[in-house]
Amino acid sequence: DVKVTQSSRYLVKRTGEKVFLECVQDMDHENMFWYRQDPGLGLRLIYFSYDVKMKEKGDIPEGYSVSREKKERFSLILESASTNQTSMYLCASSPSGRVDYGYTFGSGTRLTVV
Amino acid sequence: AQSVTQLGSHVSVSEGALVLLRCNYSSSVPPYLFWYVQYPNQGLQLLLKYTSAATLVKGINGFEAEFKKSETSFHLTKPSAHMSDAAEYFCAVSDWDRDDKIIFGKGTRLHILP
Repeated sequence: DVKVTQSSRYLVKRTGEKVFLECVQDMDHENMFWYRQDPGLGLRLIYFSYDVKMKEKGDIPEGYSVSREKKERFSLILESASTNQTSMYLCASSPSGRVDYGYTFGSGTRLTVV
Repeated sequence: AQSVTQLGSHVSVSEGALVLLRCNYSSSVPPYLFWYVQYPNQGLQLLLKYTSAATLVKGINGFEAEFKKSETSFHLTKPSAHMSDAAEYFCAVSDWDRDDKIIFGKGTRLHILP
């Protein structure tokens, strides 16, 4: 069974902390995505990556960075967490050139910044 | 540019009644269309997709959707609602302007009344 695994289901961090959210997929997908989900705002794309060491900004990249050192792993980094980054974070992956495939999502990480 | 609009952020139906969740899209080229479901505190799961084959698409859990080009719609239906159908549903369209990306609607939360 194909999977996208997010390392934590729930996280509580303090303001100003550096936070790492990890995502691993076992499907050999080239594309990986990070979204945040907030009530009434739907899914908003933070960053995406088409290949190892490649990254592109999504719609709301401010306050975030990413790392993709290996094909299967895509990390989201909050350089200095703030309370307005409290949200549900979703990772997704898809094969290159196969938009008809859709995305496979992880279970999400609910981050609370206090 | 492609876009997707879901009509109604909340929909309530009685158990056993018809479920109808509305989705309209905008696309300058033939789209791929998707419906995803999200149960509480989980990631998104693909329910069904339209990829230019049959216009009536059947998905998991008894859901189906019909692609109507003339109406630019892809409404999701289920003949008889079950309590377990309570979830948030997202319609999505392929974003041909941005390679392998998919654009998501803001979601419709489905409530099932006993």
